[in-house]
Amino acid sequence: GAVVSQHPSWVICKSGTSVKIECRSLDFQATTMFWYRQFPKQSLMLMATSNEGSKATYEQGVEKDKFLINHASLTLSTLTVTSAHPEDSSFYICSYRRDRAYMNTEAFFGQGTRLTVV
Amino acid sequence: SQQGEEDPQALSIQEGENATMNCSYKTSINNLQWYRQNSGRGLVHLILIRSNEREKHSGRLRVTLDTSKKSSSLLITASRAADTASYFCATYISYNTDKLIFGTGTRLQVFP
Repeated sequence: GAVVSQHPSWVICKSGTSVKIECRSLDFQATTMFWYRQFPKQSLMLMATSNEGSKATYEQGVEKDKFLINHASLTLSTLTVTSAHPEDSSFYICSYRRDRAYMNTEAFFGQGTRLTVV
Repeated sequence: SQQGEEDPQALSIQEGENATMNCSYKTSINNLQWYRQNSGRGLVHLILIRSNEREKHSGRLRVTLDTSKKSSSLLITASRAADTASYFCATYISYNTDKLIFGTGTRLQVFP
């Protein structure tokens, strides 16, 4: 299966600071990438969909100015949590699917990033 | 939004027993997938069953799909302590989207 590298695996930051999470696909190019958020003992909630070279599409209720997504290349996407607050503490996971030609197939996930805002 | 509801929410069994998890979904699907998540980690794809399939096997995993009832089940046979994890079903919310939406999940604990 595809390898997706997400970094960092955990981060602790102070309220008001910004945190950047990177997600790289190591063995294939992906035009579409997804960011999920997961609270303890809950399921994954889709936050946004990003396409290489264009603006991300955010799910209802997700603040685009707070969660900045940059899909700069076919192998790298970043999520920046700006002006983080304790309620942003969560587990963030990126996911790639292969090129759109393989729509409706399995997804590959990064290892996740545990963000704690103090 | 959640596409699927899973039950039970939590399941505790002894090694060697079988574990069954159920998933119900809301919309028409092209396929349904099951994923596993170890605590604090990313998700790993387990198995995909297409809408025209009724049952699929992979090692100790058996998945069934009933599109008339919009439900699926995942059976893990002869469970092991290493099977302890959360299990999620996932579907695409329509045929023309690549948004994968997850069910609520089942937390499985297998005691040695």
